[in-house]
Amino acid sequence: DAGVIQSPRHEVTEMGQEVTLRCKPISGHDYLFWYRQTMMRGLELLIYFNNNVPIDDSGMPEDRFSAKMPNASFSTLKIQPSEPRDSAVYFCASSPPPWQASEQYFGPGTRLTVT
Amino acid sequence: QKEVEQNSGPLSVPEGAIASLNCTYSDRGSQSFFWYRQYSGKSPELIMFIYSNGDKEDGRFTAQLNKASQYVSLLIRDSQPSDSATYLCAVKGSYDKVIFGPGTSLSVIP
Repeated sequence: DAGVIQSPRHEVTEMGQEVTLRCKPISGHDYLFWYRQTMMRGLELLIYFNNNVPIDDSGMPEDRFSAKMPNASFSTLKIQPSEPRDSAVYFCASSPPPWQASEQYFGPGTRLTVT
Repeated sequence: QKEVEQNSGPLSVPEGAIASLNCTYSDRGSQSFFWYRQYSGKSPELIMFIYSNGDKEDGRFTAQLNKASQYVSLLIRDSQPSDSATYLCAVKGSYDKVIFGPGTSLSVIP
C-alpha cells in the first residue's frame, strides 16, 4: 500500500493567490482528516470526513478555507485568497473502520509558504 | 483551558534512563488515547493507543491511563538517542473528534 498521498509536497505562492492541496487516502479507510501544523499552534484539526461527508469543520479558520471530498479516494483543501499567516505544514490523515481505537495514518504533508 | 495539554518541555534525559511524558485532557467523554512520535520534518506516526484504565506495555513503551484524573502518560524505558523526537498526545473525544496536544520535545543525550 502506498499510504496516504499528498500533493504538492511544497507550495510557494504569493498573497492573494488560490492554493489547492490534494490528498488520496488509503483505500478502504472511511475517515479523512485535514490538519495544519505550525510551531506556534501545534497540530490543529481543520475538518474531517466520514464516508465522504464532512462531519466537523469547526476548525476551519475562516471562509477562505474550504474542503471537499467528491469520492472515497480524493479530497482537496482550498485556500482562496491565501495570506502569509496561512504558511504551515498541512497534513492529511486517514483512518480505517471501526474507528474507536484505530490509528490515523498521516501523509507526508504539504509545506505551504505564502509570501 | 486547552482541550489537551502536555509537559511543556523540552525534556532531556541521558541514554538508558526512563523518559516520562504526561498529558491531560478536558473532555470527560473521551474514549481513546494515542501517543504519536514525530521526527523533525516528518509526519506523526503512532506509537501506542490505549482506551482502558491502567497500563499497556509494548516493548520499551508503557502507556498509562487514568480516566478519573483525565490523565494519560507515556514511559519510555532504556531511552535511546533514536527516541529523540516530539511526542504528541491525541485524544478522541465526543463525536469521534481527535484533538492533539501541543507536543513535548524529547532529547536523549548519549
